[in-house]
Order: sequence, then C-alpha cells, then structure tokens
Amino acid sequence: DGGITQSPKYLFRKEGQNVTLSCEQNLNHDAMYWYRQDPGQGLRLIYYSQIVNDFQKGDIAEGYSVSREKKESFPLTVTSAQKNPTAFYLCASSTLRPGDLRGRRQETQYFGPGTRLLVL
Amino acid sequence: LAKTTQPISMDSYEGQEVNITCSHNNIATNDYITWYQQFPSQGPRFIIQGYKTKVTNEVASLFIPADRKSSTLSLPRVSLSDTAVYYCLVGDMKGSSASKIIFGSGTRLSIRP
Repeated sequence: DGGITQSPKYLFRKEGQNVTLSCEQNLNHDAMYWYRQDPGQGLRLIYYSQIVNDFQKGDIAEGYSVSREKKESFPLTVTSAQKNPTAFYLCASSTLRPGDLRGRRQETQYFGPGTRLLVL
Repeated sequence: LAKTTQPISMDSYEGQEVNITCSHNNIATNDYITWYQQFPSQGPRFIIQGYKTKVTNEVASLFIPADRKSSTLSLPRVSLSDTAVYYCLVGDMKGSSASKIIFGSGTRLSIRP
C-alpha cells in the first residue's frame, strides 16, 4: 500500500532544542517537499529536494535544515534558531518525469498526514 | 509566477452544486491549473487538474475559459463531508518550477444540512 508517512503526529519542543520531523514515502517519487501551515493560513514552502543528496531552500528556510540521503526519506530539523516553530508541518512528494503532452497530465503532490509541532 | 485569487469563504447546503472561481490573470503558457482539498489537521488532497476547456472526474469538474485567466471548480451535489478548504494552484510542476507552486489561503467551504 503506497503512500507517504510522517511521524510523530504531535511533537513538543523545549526552548533551545532541535527537533527532527520524519517523512518517508514508498511511491518511488523523485521530489519531496516540506511545508509549514499556520492556523487559518495556506502552505508555505520550507525546503524541497528533486533528487537524492540535493535540496533547495524554499520561501521560509531560515531556522530549518533538511537532508536527503535516501530517495524515500526527507527529514526536517527545526533548529533552535527558529523562534516561532509552532505550526502544522506537511511533507509532500511528487514525480519529476516529463509531462505526458498527449494526455496533458502533470505531476501532482501527494501529502502526508502532517506533524503538529508545539513549544513547551 | 502566477498569483491566484479566490474567495476566502463560501457557504452552501447539502445537495447543491457549488462553484468556486479562481482568478489567475498572469498564467503562463506552460502552466497547469490544479485544485486541492484540505480537511482540518490533514494534508491537502489532489482533486482535479486541467489545462484548458473542461475536465471532469468522479469528484468534480473544472471549467477553464479560452483565455485561461480564471478557472471554476464545480462540486456537484455537495454533502457535509465536502466541508473543507479548497486551494487553486497555477504553475508548471516540472523540475525546478515545482518550487514555485504557491498554496494561497484557499477558499473555506462550509456545507450546511
């Protein structure tokens, strides 16, 4: 049963602590993404990776770090430098194959269930 | 970078057809229009995608006029379970362009009995 998983569902962070959010996919997707969502707001891109051992900053990368050592995994670390980490974090993945022009289909993003990070 | 504008919220009743319109005046030639649905405390879920004219699947229809500067998501005979936030996205999902896909604030749809 293919899909994308995130753990834990809830995470508590103490001041000055780094915490790592897990994201795993078995969809054989090349690209993976991390988004942050604040209450009542849309999603904002933190980091994305198109291939193993490569990743790029999104709009709000400050205070976060990522790694992409395996195709299936894209963990996000919320560092102590992130002063307002309380949010809902969403991981997504997508393929990067060229679009099927005949069928006019393009890649879509598949999202995990999310991790809610709270500060103690 | 194509910016989208959609209503902040909409209300409707069970059994009605709901149409949510999204404006994207700066859509580029290679851009596709994609709609996602998000329930509270869950990740967004793909609903439908189109490039021009009309696309229909088992969940919704997407109407795109010839100038492609707007699009309308149509949900037939909604039920209470359709209460969610709906996002309209415009962009080219290939390669580095995927990073430029922006989820705006979406449209909060509330369905009443």
